[in-house]
Amino acid sequence: GENVEQHPSTLSVQEGDSAVIKCTYSDSASNYFPWYKQELGKGPQLIIDIRSNVGEKKDQRIAVTLNKTAKHFSLHITETQPEDSAVYFCAAFMFSGGYNKLIFGAGTRLAVHP
Amino acid sequence: DGGITQSPKYLFRKEGQNVTLSCEQNLNHDAMYWYRQDPGQGLRLIYYSQIVNDFQKGDIAEGYSVSREKKESFPLTVTSAQKNPTAFYLCASSMGPAGLAGGYLSSYHEQFFGPGTRLTVL
Repeated sequence: GENVEQHPSTLSVQEGDSAVIKCTYSDSASNYFPWYKQELGKGPQLIIDIRSNVGEKKDQRIAVTLNKTAKHFSLHITETQPEDSAVYFCAAFMFSGGYNKLIFGAGTRLAVHP
Repeated sequence: DGGITQSPKYLFRKEGQNVTLSCEQNLNHDAMYWYRQDPGQGLRLIYYSQIVNDFQKGDIAEGYSVSREKKESFPLTVTSAQKNPTAFYLCASSMGPAGLAGGYLSSYHEQFFGPGTRLTVL
């Protein structure tokens, strides 16, 4: 069935280093890929998204890349800061089971150490 | 301030009881969603509603029920039939769901999430 795999499940970096989270998806028709950041006890917040007509998108220290041929997309965070510590979810928008829906990855817990 | 509110933040239920989780949005969004979040897993869709007085089952609807009598409200009832209800519940809304045109997914609207309700069964 349709799914999104996300790696790694946990990631620990030193402040100032870069962090990369990778996701693969199963449905080649998917064309929208958002990334959400979830802080402890809160709902997810959209931080960046990408559509299939572009290969890369940047927003300050955050960037997302998309390889449609390989069906994978990645989140890159540069110059990490302690406030970047959170759980990050990737998602892919798919038509499945008769309706459109977001399929989420299992999440990556990022810890940025001062 | 525009946004999505969920209440209560924490909810405790005894086995055999039904409980209702509230979700309200003032974003004038047509579509609303309920997700369940368990440790180490992604969000799973319980129910969704594309428009008032309409709703559809998601992937894990068994043991849950919803209503959509008003555009701004989408309450979720966790019934006694739900065998493992302890989880973090998230409500979301979007301007509208995407359509399907020409065999490809058309424009999609960002989903905005509420702060969540943590339900614990005692």
